[in-house]
This record gives sequence, structure tokens and C-alpha cells, in this order.
Amino acid sequence: GNSVTQMEGPVTLSEEAFLTINCTYTATGYPSLFWYVQYPGEGLQLLLKATKADDKGSNKGFEATYRKETTSFHLEKGSVQVSDSAVYFCALRMNSGNTPLVFGKGTRLSVIA
Amino acid sequence: DTAVSQTPKYLVTQMGNDKSIKCEQNLGHDTMYWYKQDSKKFLKIMFSYNNKELIINETVPNRFSPKSPDKAHLNLHINSLELGDSAVYFCASSQATRDEQFFGPGTRLTVL
Repeated sequence: GNSVTQMEGPVTLSEEAFLTINCTYTATGYPSLFWYVQYPGEGLQLLLKATKADDKGSNKGFEATYRKETTSFHLEKGSVQVSDSAVYFCALRMNSGNTPLVFGKGTRLSVIA
Repeated sequence: DTAVSQTPKYLVTQMGNDKSIKCEQNLGHDTMYWYKQDSKKFLKIMFSYNNKELIINETVPNRFSPKSPDKAHLNLHINSLELGDSAVYFCASSQATRDEQFFGPGTRLTVL
């Protein structure tokens, strides 16, 4: 079946450090890929997405590029802030039929001042 | 002007009880979802409704019964609660089945 694997957390960084959260996927076909963020005590919010190979999604300084050859969608940010502390979820959804989002297990990021 | 709202926010109950969680969206979306997030933060789809019709029903015990009285509401009723049902339940909605999903704030269910 389709699945998403994320790097294990938690990840702790100092403010202004560079962030990478790895995400790889397994899918029969070509999915759309997503990063969702969950701030403490809140629901998930879509952070960025990419719908086909080589697309780059970006938002709030975060970026991720859809790499078909490595089946990856790694999340990056050049300089993290304390306010970026949250749980980040990588997800995929197949582009046909009524298929659900399939989430990775989430990676908790803590940014310290 | 909350987009997707859930009630209650917290629910503590005894094993064997029956409880309901309500979800409402004011976005005019056609599709609504229920997700379960376990203690390790793993998030999994349970159900999806499109125009009040069930379109996704993952392998969820039949103690869980979703009800969609109209397109703006998708309630989750759980019978005979078990310890393993303790989790955070998220409702979400989207305009169509493949559009961006908007999540509610979650309902933390604790079964004692």
C-alpha cells in the first residue's frame, strides 16, 4: 500500500539554525505530496504542497521539492524561529479516485532561543 | 468565524459508555472527514463523507458510526467505549475530495 516515512523526532534546534526534515514515500503511481504543521493545542494546517515531479512547494520560508527519482519530499528552512516549534507531518494523496491523505508519523520540532 | 469547529474539546468518560463528538464547517465544503491521532501522534483517516454520502470507511470497528445530517455537519458516535479509543479525534473538510483539507482543533477523548 501507499505509505510515508519521516525522520524520527524530536528535533531540537537553536534559533536561526538550518532545518531539514526528511520524508520519503512509497506509492503505486504518482501522488500529490504535502507538508502539514500542527502547533501546540491546534489542528493541522497545510504548510505547502507539490502535485507533480520537480515541483517546489514553499510557504513561510519553508520549502520542499518533489523528487520522483528518490521518492522524497524533504522539508527545509534556512533559519528557524521559536515560533516554528510544532509537529510537522508529511503526507501523500493519490491523484485519482476518492483516496484519503496518508500521513507520516510526524516530527516534533523544538526551536530554542 | 471558525472554519471547522468541534465539540467538545475534551471528553473524559468511563469504559463501556456511548459518546458523540460533533463537527461543523462553515466553509461551504462538500467533503468532510474524521481522523484519529494516537498517543504517538500517528494520524489516520477513519471516514470521509461527500455530499452526505460515505465514500471512505477505513478498517474502523463498527462501534464507530459517523452521521452526516447535512453537508455542514459530520458527527461521530462511539458505542461501548474502550481504553484503546483514547486519542485525539480531528474533523476536517475540503471543497472536493482532492482539494486542501481544513482541520478542526481536535477533541481529546480519554477513556478511563
